[in-house]
Amino acid sequence: GENVEQHPSTLSVQEGDSAVIKCTYSDSASNYFPWYKQELGKGPQLIIDIRSNVGEKKDQRIAVTLNKTAKHFSLHITETQPEDSAVYFCAASMDSGAGSYQLTFGKGTKLSVIP
Amino acid sequence: DAGITQSPRHKVTETGTPVTLRCHQTENHRYMYWYRQDPGHGLRLIHYSYGVKDTDKGEVSDGYSVSRSKTEDFLLTLESATSSQTSVYFCAITGGLEDTQYFGPGTRLTVL
Repeated sequence: GENVEQHPSTLSVQEGDSAVIKCTYSDSASNYFPWYKQELGKGPQLIIDIRSNVGEKKDQRIAVTLNKTAKHFSLHITETQPEDSAVYFCAASMDSGAGSYQLTFGKGTKLSVIP
Repeated sequence: DAGITQSPRHKVTETGTPVTLRCHQTENHRYMYWYRQDPGHGLRLIHYSYGVKDTDKGEVSDGYSVSRSKTEDFLLTLESATSSQTSVYFCAITGGLEDTQYFGPGTRLTVL
């Protein structure tokens, strides 16, 4: 099955600096890569996603890049703010039949933005 | 939380007792999923459903069963709870052939 590795497990940055989280996946058939943000005591919230036919996607201060050849994708957060502090998860998925997609998650990165 | 509710939100139970967690959606989406979240493991898929009475196993299905008798409800049952099933359980939904999953608020289960 799919295996997703996520690094680093913890990341501290100064407010205003950029943060980068990297993930690698093992199955070349994976074609959908979402990123989730999870705040304490809440469910994961989708913040951005990318599909295998696209190399980069941006949404304001957040961007995701995908390198299919190397099988890795990254989350970039610019101009970080204290409210960006949370645990971030990457995931990879493919069509597993009957139109369903099973997500395989990385183990998470705890991002702390220091004011 | 994309029209998803989970109940109960917190539960403490004893080893060997049956436990049922409920996920309810108001979006009329076809696909529903149950995950567990544990420190150091991220989120792992337990079971999923692709329609009423249509379910399949995920990565960590042992010790769990599910049922879906209505589109809006997806139940997760621990027939005989064990301490290793202490975890936070999340339900997720996705619509049609879309692959985007949205998560509920979670249920924290403690098995003593």
